[in-house]
Formats: sequence, structure tokens, C-alpha cells
Amino acid sequence: DAGVIQSPRHEVTEMGQEVTLRCKPISGHNSLFWYRQTMMRGLELLIYFNNNVPIDDSGMPEDRFSAKMPNASFSTLKIQPSEPRDSAVYFCASSPNTGAYEQYFGPGTRLTVT
Amino acid sequence: QQQVKQSPQSLIVQKGGIPIINCAYENTAFDYFPWYQQFPGKGPALLIAIRPDVSEKKEGRFTISFNKSAKQFSLHIMDSQPGDSATYFCAASRGSARQLTFGSGTQLTVLP
Repeated sequence: DAGVIQSPRHEVTEMGQEVTLRCKPISGHNSLFWYRQTMMRGLELLIYFNNNVPIDDSGMPEDRFSAKMPNASFSTLKIQPSEPRDSAVYFCASSPNTGAYEQYFGPGTRLTVT
Repeated sequence: QQQVKQSPQSLIVQKGGIPIINCAYENTAFDYFPWYQQFPGKGPALLIAIRPDVSEKKEGRFTISFNKSAKQFSLHIMDSQPGDSATYFCAASRGSARQLTFGSGTQLTVLP
């Protein structure tokens, strides 16, 4: 079975540009999580969805960040406009069902904003 | 109250040694404590997990010890191997959606 798929794997952009990160969860999983990993702050939960509905976005750092899940097999995390401090590795994870303990992480997208 | 504190930040052991990584939490609402292993360029992967009604759990060479009264838990790796060299994160989970709060990570190096 394919795991969580993220694209692109690497993204380099200039400050002020819009960035869109994509995630395909494992088929049949109905919870999806977006995380950000930096050296300074470690792994932080940004937002999570259950059955395509955003449940908690309190971890989203600013209004420049937005996330959508239009269907069970696709989610996006958008940053507009991007800033150098947004440089990080962004992970998507999915979980089989509400209340399930295991989260399966994708390989991440390394974002560099110059 | 959402914080999970992890130590040490880095750890170097010889092959066959038993590295121990410690974590502490404050929020008693946490009810599930997983450990994740992350190799460079990869996403974290679940290694082993424990619930607070159990004091110890073993899976292969990996053991979690849990002290509910002290609100602490630790990971022990028996007979460590160079292939165990990775970053290890403890985490705590709460709520029906299983949000994870991660510790800061421990970079483990096992020397051959």
C-alpha cells in the first residue's frame, strides 16, 4: 500500500510568493494532520481535519496560512505571502479513524523561502 | 500545560549500549504516549506506544517505562545498533482526534 504522499518534496521560493503544499493521505484514513518541523520549535501541529472538516486550526501561525481538504484523498496547505521565517519541513500525517492512535507521516516538503 | 519536555538533546553510545531517553509532561489529560523514530530526510514513524494504565511495554529491543505519579516516561533501547542512529521523539496525545504534542527530539548516534 502506498503511504502518505506529499508534493513537492522540495520547494524554493522568493519572499512574497504563494506556496502550495499538497498531501494525499492513505486510502481509507479519515483524519489528516499538517505539522511543521524546525530546529527552533521542533514538530508543531498546525491543523487537523476529520472527515474532510477542519477541526482545530489553532496551531496555524498566521492568517497567511490556510489549509483545505476538498475530498478524502487530497489536502493542501497554502502560504500567501510567504516569508523567510516560514522555511521549514512540512509534514502531512493521516490516521485510520477518529480515536485511532497511530498517525502515519509522509516524507515531508522542505520549504525554503529566500 | 501542553508541553512535553524531552532530554537529552543528543546521545552517543557504543554498539550494544542501552541509550535511555526521558520525557516529562504536565497535562494529566494526556492518555497515550507514543515514541517516533525519524531518519534524515524521512517523516517520523511510530516505534512503540504506551497507555498510562501500564508501567512498562516492550517491543523487541525497545522498552517504554512509564511513571504516572511522576508524569514521566522513558525509552530504552537494548543492544543498540548503528542502524538505530536516528532522532527519537516522545509525544503525548489527548482527545478523540489524537492530536500529538511532541517533545523536542533526541539525536541518537550509535557508534560501531
